Amino acid sequence: GENVEQHPSTLSVQEGDSAVIKCTYSDSASNYFPWYKQELGKGPQLIIDIRSNVGEKKDQRIAVTLNKTAKHFSLHITETQPEDSAVYFCAAAGNTNAGKSTFGDGTTLTVKP
Amino acid sequence: NAGVTQTPKFRILKIGQSMTLQCTQDMNHNYMYWYRQDPGMGLKLIYYSVGAGITDKGEVPNGYNVSRSTTEDFPLRLELAAPSQTSVYFCASSYEISYEQYFGPGTRLTVT
Repeated sequence: GENVEQHPSTLSVQEGDSAVIKCTYSDSASNYFPWYKQELGKGPQLIIDIRSNVGEKKDQRIAVTLNKTAKHFSLHITETQPEDSAVYFCAAAGNTNAGKSTFGDGTTLTVKP
Repeated sequence: NAGVTQTPKFRILKIGQSMTLQCTQDMNHNYMYWYRQDPGMGLKLIYYSVGAGITDKGEVPNGYNVSRSTTEDFPLRLELAAPSQTSVYFCASSYEISYEQYFGPGTRLTVT
């Protein structure tokens, strides 16, 4: 089955700096790569996703890049703000197995004011 | 739309007791999922459903059962609760495979 590894497990940055979280996956059939943000006491919420026919996608301060050859994808947050502090999860899914997503173990991002 | 709702929010069970975690979505999604999240860990898939009447096991199904009699509801049943089932449980739904999953607020379960 799919295996997703996520690094780092914790990340602390100063407000205004950039943050980068990286994930690798094992199944070359995976074609959908979402990123979720989980605030304390809440369920995860999608912040950005990318499909395997695209190399990069941006949404304001958030961007995701995908390298299919190397089987890794990354989340980039620029101009970080204290409200970006949360746990971030990457996931990988394919068209088999009902599109089940396999999640990374999460990255706790702390943005210091 | 309320999205995905879960009840209860919190529950404490004694070892050996049983309970049902309720999950309802009002988005007419065919795909529904149950995950557990242990402290500092990611989400592990327990069971999933691709439509009413169809369910299948995920990574960690032992000790749990599900049913899907309607599109809206996907209850998770714990039989003979064990301390290892102490976790936060999330229900999610999606419109199609490999699409955004919408998560409920979670149920925090403690088994003592």
